[in-house]
Amino acid sequence: QQQVKQSPQSLIVQKGGISIINCAYENTAFDYFPWYQQFPGKGPALLIAIRPDVSEKKEGRFTISFNKSAKQFSLHIMDSQPGDSATYFCAARGSGSARQLTFGSGTQLTVLP
Amino acid sequence: EAGVAQSPRYKIIEKRQSVAFWCNPISGHATLYWYQQILGQGPKLLIQFQNNGVVDDSQLPKDRFSAERLKGVDSTLKIQPAKLEDSAVYLCASSLEGAAAYEQYFGPGTRLTVT
Repeated sequence: QQQVKQSPQSLIVQKGGISIINCAYENTAFDYFPWYQQFPGKGPALLIAIRPDVSEKKEGRFTISFNKSAKQFSLHIMDSQPGDSATYFCAARGSGSARQLTFGSGTQLTVLP
Repeated sequence: EAGVAQSPRYKIIEKRQSVAFWCNPISGHATLYWYQQILGQGPKLLIQFQNNGVVDDSQLPKDRFSAERLKGVDSTLKIQPAKLEDSAVYLCASSLEGAAAYEQYFGPGTRLTVT
């Protein structure tokens, strides 16, 4: 029940295109859903996050769409750029005392110039 | 603001040897996390500290892994003895305490190779 399933495993997009990464969860007690971006040799960095009482959040070219009834959320990267090439992880935070993050398995995004 | 510092960045050891990793969190961050990231997978939480107390260590293989956070600041993670399957990147992260603790800030990680 603590799993977060992420797809696709890898994604290749042309510059200027839209990148879409999907995640699904089972645990309805999750209360915070961040997306992290990780470049090679670096630690993950928070990109954008959403709480379950909101259906969409947009920050610049990055948008999270959240479907509470389907227990799914997705990251959309508009006007994808070669600099966006990285690994993206979705995550979900538990509501217990530890409030730990459970991460998806990651999506390696390549944006072709 | 200085980020989360980790050392060493890389370590190669033979199986059954011991190894230790060090982490210095962002100043003022009460919560510190150690994650294991196996190649091609997302980070998996090993242990979470709140100040110098353990909040969650349910996924820490306690027969070989240990961690401490003295004085509620720096932390060390130790593996003894190491196994081949311990080859991974070990990430340290920190966050504020309480209601503001939404964002976790990650260090660059220590890449461990066990041969």
